[in-house]
Amino acid sequence: AQSVTQLGSHVSVSEGALVLLRCNYSSSVPPYLFWYVQYPNQGLQLLLKYTSAATLVKGINGFEAEFKKSETSFHLTKPSAHMSDAAEYFCAVTKIYNQGGKLIFGQGTELSVKP
Amino acid sequence: NAGVTQTPKFRVLKTGQSMTLLCAQDMNHEYMYWYRQDPGMGLRLIHYSVGEGTTAKGEVPDGYNVSRLKKQNFLLGLESAAPSQTSVYFCASSYDSLYTFGSGTRLTVV
Repeated sequence: AQSVTQLGSHVSVSEGALVLLRCNYSSSVPPYLFWYVQYPNQGLQLLLKYTSAATLVKGINGFEAEFKKSETSFHLTKPSAHMSDAAEYFCAVTKIYNQGGKLIFGQGTELSVKP
Repeated sequence: NAGVTQTPKFRVLKTGQSMTLLCAQDMNHEYMYWYRQDPGMGLRLIHYSVGEGTTAKGEVPDGYNVSRLKKQNFLLGLESAAPSQTSVYFCASSYDSLYTFGSGTRLTVV
């Protein structure tokens, strides 16, 4: 069965500092991996996705993530945090051609950005 | 192009009452999903459907039923609401690696 583990339910960084949100996955077949962002009282917005093309994926708002098969990881990074990045971030995994393409989510990481 | 539309957006139920949440998509997607979101637990899959007339259980199906009588609609029913079903519910549809989410329904059971 697929699963996703996000390390750290809360991450706090200073404005301008590096953002690193960790995600490890478990999947018996090559996965598709996603990062979503959720601002307070809003829905989910796709940041980026990995679908077996380039292992370094660039997304919106300056975020990127690297798929590392040997580490079963898909960590999200941004070189310089902005106040507007404060939100909750979810990593998700799926196997497109099996099991109805279900997205399995991690528990989320809340990012705080200090001035 | 509306994408995925959920109704209602907010609802307060008394324990034991029933209700149906409606999800409608206009993208002709085969796959549709219902998730619930609770603090610290991410989004958990309740039920899903791989096509018109089909449904399947997800991670947390107990207390919910679903129907997919038309390809564009996916209904989530609560037969006898419980306080533990207080949550934010999200519907989604997908094609290949493209997932579209609704804006959510905030349900409170008192």
